Amino acid sequence: GDSVTQMEGPVTLSEEAFLTINCTYTATGYPSLFWYVQYPGEGLQLLLKATKADDKGSNKGFEATYRKETTSFHLEKGSVQVSDSAVYFCALSTVNFGNEKLTFGTGTRLTIIP
Amino acid sequence: NAGVTQTPKFQVLKTGQSMTLQCAQDMNHEYMSWYRQDPGMGLRLIHYSVGAGITDQGEVPNGYNVSRSTTEDFPLRLLSAAPSQTSVYFCASSSGQYTGELFFGEGSRLTVL
Repeated sequence: GDSVTQMEGPVTLSEEAFLTINCTYTATGYPSLFWYVQYPGEGLQLLLKATKADDKGSNKGFEATYRKETTSFHLEKGSVQVSDSAVYFCALSTVNFGNEKLTFGTGTRLTIIP
Repeated sequence: NAGVTQTPKFQVLKTGQSMTLQCAQDMNHEYMSWYRQDPGMGLRLIHYSVGAGITDQGEVPNGYNVSRSTTEDFPLRLLSAAPSQTSVYFCASSSGQYTGELFFGEGSRLTVL
């Protein structure tokens, strides 16, 4: 079945450091890929997405590129801020018989220290 | 600007008690779903609905019941709570157009003693 494997956390970085959170996936067909973010006390919200191979999703300084050859969708940011502290979830979606199914990774908790 | 509204935010139950988690959305979304979030497990789909009157089971449906009488509301019922149902529950909705973009509520933290 479909699955998403994320880098285990927690991850602690200093402000302005470079961030990478690894994500790899297993899926049949051609999934769309997503990063969701969950700030403390809130529900998840979509951060960025990519729908086909070599697409780059970007938002709020975060980027991720859909790499079909390595089945990866790593999240990167060049200079993190304290406000980026959150839990990040990698996810994929597939469509079978007209029904879309989202599969989430286990989440990576990121803490940024001033 | 309500989006997806869940109530209650916190609830403590005793084993065997029943309760309903409420979920309402004001975006006219056809697709609604319930997830549970447990440490180290990510989000797991409990039940979902693709429109009023239509519901289906997700990955972990046992012990939960749902109905969808209107487009706006999608309540989740626990008929006889068990400690294994201690979790954070999220309701989500989407336009159902295969965008993969779910809009989540703020979550309901349930503790079963």
